Amino acid sequence: GNSVTQMEGPVTLSEEAFLTINCTYTATGYPSLFWYVQYPGEGLQLLLKATKADDKGSNKGFEATYRKETTSFHLEKGSVQVSDSAVYFCALSDSGGGADGLTFGKGTHLIIQP
Amino acid sequence: DTAVSQTPKYLVTQMGNDKSIKCEQNLGHDTMYWYKQDSKKFLKIMFSYNNKELIINETVPNRFSPKSPDKAHLNLHINSLELGDSAVYFCASSQQGEETQYFGPGTRLLVL
Repeated sequence: GNSVTQMEGPVTLSEEAFLTINCTYTATGYPSLFWYVQYPGEGLQLLLKATKADDKGSNKGFEATYRKETTSFHLEKGSVQVSDSAVYFCALSDSGGGADGLTFGKGTHLIIQP
Repeated sequence: DTAVSQTPKYLVTQMGNDKSIKCEQNLGHDTMYWYKQDSKKFLKIMFSYNNKELIINETVPNRFSPKSPDKAHLNLHINSLELGDSAVYFCASSQQGEETQYFGPGTRLLVL
């Protein structure tokens, strides 16, 4: 079956530090990959996505590149802010647009200190 | 103009009670989902519906019964609530042919 593995944290960084959150996946087909973010007390928001190998998703200064050879989709940001403090979820879908659920990693709690 | 909305946002109830959570989306999507997020933040699919038809029913106790009166609504009814049902329940929607899912704000259920 499908699975997603990501570092669980908490990850604590100082403002303006470089961020990497690792994510690797196992899937039978060629999945689409996602990063979702959950701010305290809120629902999940789509942060970025990539649908095929070597695609780079980017949004709000965050980037992730779909690496088929290493089955990875690591999230990076060059300079984090306090407002980036949240839980970040890596997820995959191999439904091809069907009604399958997303498979999520366990989430990484990110804390940015001023 | 909320895309995916859920009611109530918080639900505190006693063991053994029956409760419902409602979900509505105004995105024009034809597929809707329920997910459960446990106390460790782990998210797991429970159900999915496409055009009001049940597609996925993961290993969920039959005390949980989803109902989709139309494509824009997917409600979740829970009978005989147990302590272990305490969690955050998220509704989501997508359009068939697209893999991106859009999530509601969640319903925080606490069973005492």
